[in-house]
Amino acid sequence: EPEVTQTPSHQVTQMGQEVILRCVPISNHLYFYWYRQILGQKVEFLVSFYNNEISEKSEIFDDQFSVERPDGSNFTLKIRSTKLEDSAMYFCASEETEAEAFFGQGTRLTVV
Amino acid sequence: GESVGLHLPTLSVQEGDNSIINCAYSNSASDYFIWYKQESGKGPQFIIDIRSNMDKRQGQRVTVLLNKTVKHLSLQIAATQPGDSAVYFCAERPGGSQGNLIFGKGTKLSVKP
Repeated sequence: EPEVTQTPSHQVTQMGQEVILRCVPISNHLYFYWYRQILGQKVEFLVSFYNNEISEKSEIFDDQFSVERPDGSNFTLKIRSTKLEDSAMYFCASEETEAEAFFGQGTRLTVV
Repeated sequence: GESVGLHLPTLSVQEGDNSIINCAYSNSASDYFIWYKQESGKGPQFIIDIRSNMDKRQGQRVTVLLNKTVKHLSLQIAATQPGDSAVYFCAERPGGSQGNLIFGKGTKLSVKP
């Protein structure tokens, strides 16, 4: 069964450092998303991406965040200067047109 | 504002019993709703969805009910099994079938053997 894969599974970084979280969406999917989940809280939308551009973003997705689809298969989330409050699980999701979103296993980001 | 919330944070049921997990939403413009299951350390897993032109949809052992009058969504799990233990989230899509998902806080379902 096709799946969304994310790497790394766990990333520890120092405050102020840049991190790149990587995702390989399901190959025939067209819509890509990043969500985050702070421990014990609900899943929150960050950004959606379609046709090589951001289609929607939340208030959380400020100038410190960026997304890229560099090579037609990977979909990355970059945080330029991490803060303690960026510590969370980050989920990538992808979907075909008018179908359910498939989520990856997540990357646990710990900022120290 | 737009929000999706859950009535109960935890639910404990006996194996074999039916489970009912509830969800309230506030955005009357939402026309697509999804239930996700999240096991510990994993990403949300799609269970079942429903569009606003329906009030009931059935899957394998699961049924979703939608009451647009009171903006209420429920997930019924028949013959609950230990493998059903997880956190269940409802989510809505204000934009219809595309666009971002707004998740509720989650209900933790524990199944006692």
